[in-house]
Amino acid sequence: GAGVSQSPSNKVTEKGKDVELRCDPISGHTALYWYRQSLGQGLEFLIYFQGNSAPDKSGLPSDRFSAERTGGSVSTLTIQRTQQEDSAVYLCASSLYGQGDEQFFGPGTRLTVL
Amino acid sequence: KQEVTQIPAALSVPEGENLVLNCSFTDSAIYNLQWFRQDPGKGLTSLLLIQSSQREQTSGRLNASLDKSSGRSTLYIAASQPGDSATYLCAVPYLSGGYNKLIFGAGTRLAVHP
Repeated sequence: GAGVSQSPSNKVTEKGKDVELRCDPISGHTALYWYRQSLGQGLEFLIYFQGNSAPDKSGLPSDRFSAERTGGSVSTLTIQRTQQEDSAVYLCASSLYGQGDEQFFGPGTRLTVL
Repeated sequence: KQEVTQIPAALSVPEGENLVLNCSFTDSAIYNLQWFRQDPGKGLTSLLLIQSSQREQTSGRLNASLDKSSGRSTLYIAASQPGDSATYLCAVPYLSGGYNKLIFGAGTRLAVHP
């Protein structure tokens, strides 16, 4: 079946602009996760959704970052007023139930802020 | 706080060698441990998930072992091939928030040359 998909695959934006990144999880997966991978920091957790609610937002680096999930499926990560330090690969993952089960990752969105 | 370390950071070997990649974690109270592969510019591919109650897990030429008490896991790759060249990452779910946050090591970058 289809895996996790993300769009766009690449995004170049100017400092100060807002961007939206999209994630389509594996059908039937109730849990969805966002991570960020940057050269200096490795892979970092951003936020976790169970259904449409986000019980763990502890990894969001600032209030410029927000995310939502609708219909228990698609999720959007929004970064407002982008900064150069936001440049990274944003990875989405999903799992069947959450609570430590196997996570499956999408191909990521490479964000470059000029 | 859980920390994950991978050794070596990079490895270059001739085709056909058997390899051992190491992963260590500071908090032995883990739920499971997941090994991933990442090709350049791509997302993460799940290779093996080993539950805390298991000692090892096998998939084809890959074998992962887990020693919770010593805080270590190893990924054994038999008869390496150039197609195995990639970065290998290990990750453990963190207790905070119900094991829904994966903590990653920095990865081992493997190059297998013909």
